[in-house]
Amino acid sequence: RKEVEQDPGPFNVPEGATVAFNCTYSNSASQSFFWYRQDCRKEPKLLMSVYSSGNEDGRFTAQLNRASQYISLLIRDSKLSDSATYLCVFYNQGGKLIFGQGTELSVKP
Amino acid sequence: NAGVTQTPKFQVLKTGQSMTLQCAQDMNHEYMSWYRQDPGMGLRLIHYSVGAGITDQGEVPNGYNVSRSTTEDFPLRLLSAAPSQTSVYFCASSLSGQGFSYGYTFGSGTRLTVV
Repeated sequence: RKEVEQDPGPFNVPEGATVAFNCTYSNSASQSFFWYRQDCRKEPKLLMSVYSSGNEDGRFTAQLNRASQYISLLIRDSKLSDSATYLCVFYNQGGKLIFGQGTELSVKP
Repeated sequence: NAGVTQTPKFQVLKTGQSMTLQCAQDMNHEYMSWYRQDPGMGLRLIHYSVGAGITDQGEVPNGYNVSRSTTEDFPLRLLSAAPSQTSVYFCASSLSGQGFSYGYTFGSGTRLTVV
């Protein structure tokens, strides 16, 4: 089983829609989870950390489910500018940062 | 405050040539790392460093060397370029080895083509 798995998409949604991505991880000892955003041909940028109790930043909500070993990202009221690839990231047991392959989101007018 | 600076942005090499990708950060970050990104593969760790004078291998180190003589600089050397090394290379840095809630700051990337 891969250390991290993401649905690559693409997710095509209209403006204003709510969209959710999941990311599963295989190592139950993993800690420190993040969501990164990557625009086409650009570098990844930190979107938000994921805390055990769940956290929200404006239209974005991140959650962690340790029992089922997945993290999620919910985007409400999607904007055209949200179109990007979203990467889930975590630290594995060896202390290395592991990236998922990314989920592509395309928000249409 | 420039963040993480990578040079060059684009490079074409012939098979067998060597070159050095440069990475510099001005944030006094202890932790620096190199990733490569290939379609469908995500980002894969090549080498990393937890401080000046300390380096270690990541997931895909073969064909690459690194050194960390200063806190600011972390160059990546391709010893003998091969077409399989055609990729986008990202350098990243963080305040500490774990990076926790700080996350990582990435350079803008180097697009390398080996022909």
